Amino acid sequence: GQNIDQPTEMTATEGAIVQINCTYQTSGFNGLFWYQQHAGEAPTFLSYNVLDGLEEKGRFSSFLSRSKGYSYLLLKELQMKDSASYLCAPSPGSGNTGKLIFGQGTTLQVKP
Amino acid sequence: DSGVTQTPKHLITATGQRVTLRCSPRSGDLSVYWYQQSLDQGLQFLIHYYNGEERAKGNILERFSAQQFPDLHSELNLSSLELGDSALYFCASSSPSGLGTDTQYFGPGTRLTVL
Repeated sequence: GQNIDQPTEMTATEGAIVQINCTYQTSGFNGLFWYQQHAGEAPTFLSYNVLDGLEEKGRFSSFLSRSKGYSYLLLKELQMKDSASYLCAPSPGSGNTGKLIFGQGTTLQVKP
Repeated sequence: DSGVTQTPKHLITATGQRVTLRCSPRSGDLSVYWYQQSLDQGLQFLIHYYNGEERAKGNILERFSAQQFPDLHSELNLSSLELGDSALYFCASSSPSGLGTDTQYFGPGTRLTVL
């Protein structure tokens, strides 16, 4: 089966660092995406990992361990606008498709 | 702006009716994906088209169907609508292969309300 597990909610303070964890089980694996989604809006692409290790992109970094089925998204220097849902989405890579399997998402609230 | 367009933005209709949602992918993208997002569930994959051909189906109801036209735009048809079909419907596009390494870019979504 396919399963993605993320914390439902997190709260952090402006200027701080927060780590959002994701564990996954999929029938195949072709990489893992992180998306940001503000309420009622479209998901926007943040990062993609296919190899083990850390990918850094400005204030956002993403880590992957394929053997552990584990990823995290690290947000530094938090800003109020970072209040949003963060979606972990592995691509099972099964068959001839790049379909994504999304977790429920982690709602992050950034407080002043 | 992702470059993916969806119409209409909002749709209100009654149970039993049929609606069509439209999606235009980013210029040059060959793949179109449809996802459903309801309040109590995350984004659920519905269907994937690549260059006019169906590539994968997810948990798409038999009342729902989709197609991708020669100009690469796609339509999602929802029929015999039920209250539970009320949701945000997103379209995403990607290129070039339509496989798992391609980043998907999402349109703004169509909010469907069934009364």
